[in-house]
Amino acid sequence: EVQLVESGGGLVQPGGSLRLSCVASGFTFSSYWMTWVRQAPGKGLEWVANIKRDGSEKYYVDSVKGRFTISRDNAKNSLYLQMNSLRAGDTAVYYCALNRGGIDYWGQGTLVTVSS
Amino acid sequence: EVVLTQSPATLSLSPGERATLSCRASQSVSSYLAWYQQKPGQAPRLLIYDASNRATGIPASFSGSGSGTDFTLTISSLEPEDFAVYYCQQRSNWPYTFGQGTKLEIK
Repeated sequence: EVQLVESGGGLVQPGGSLRLSCVASGFTFSSYWMTWVRQAPGKGLEWVANIKRDGSEKYYVDSVKGRFTISRDNAKNSLYLQMNSLRAGDTAVYYCALNRGGIDYWGQGTLVTVSS
Repeated sequence: EVVLTQSPATLSLSPGERATLSCRASQSVSSYLAWYQQKPGQAPRLLIYDASNRATGIPASFSGSGSGTDFTLTISSLEPEDFAVYYCQQRSNWPYTFGQGTKLEIK
């Protein structure tokens, strides 16, 4: 059974940093691109970042470029999102996701709140 | 950036009726379009990928069609559990984008 379990969310002040983690199980993690998607409270979905199987390619939505870094450790079946210079507009539930043509598996999400 | 526009924003129907949801892309996305269902407090669920392929475990009452810029999600006969928010999403061009959603509510 595929499982994606996120952690690391919480309350942070504007300008602060957080690192989200996602531990994957039930599939061959190193064989797939992985993804972070976020959803602001009461709003729609936003695709944040993608990372290739071996970490050699990474893509970011413009609104997070230069502030967020996606990474992975295939030996630990883990995906990460380092978030720096956080803004109020980054407040959202962040989902770790397995994308195989469509996102067929999602984590439960971790809430990031940016507020003073 | 490819903008996906979903219509209508809200669709009010009764159980047993047919639902037709639309997604229009600002430029061609070929067939690289997916549909998701999201219920309150839950992560989205993949329904359709590559425009017309049902995801694993999705009932045949859900179908997708279209290519290029115009896509449709059809639910042939609504069940009570089908009332939710539906999103389309393209993976043709980076950044991948979602539509703003269609809320399917009980009439």
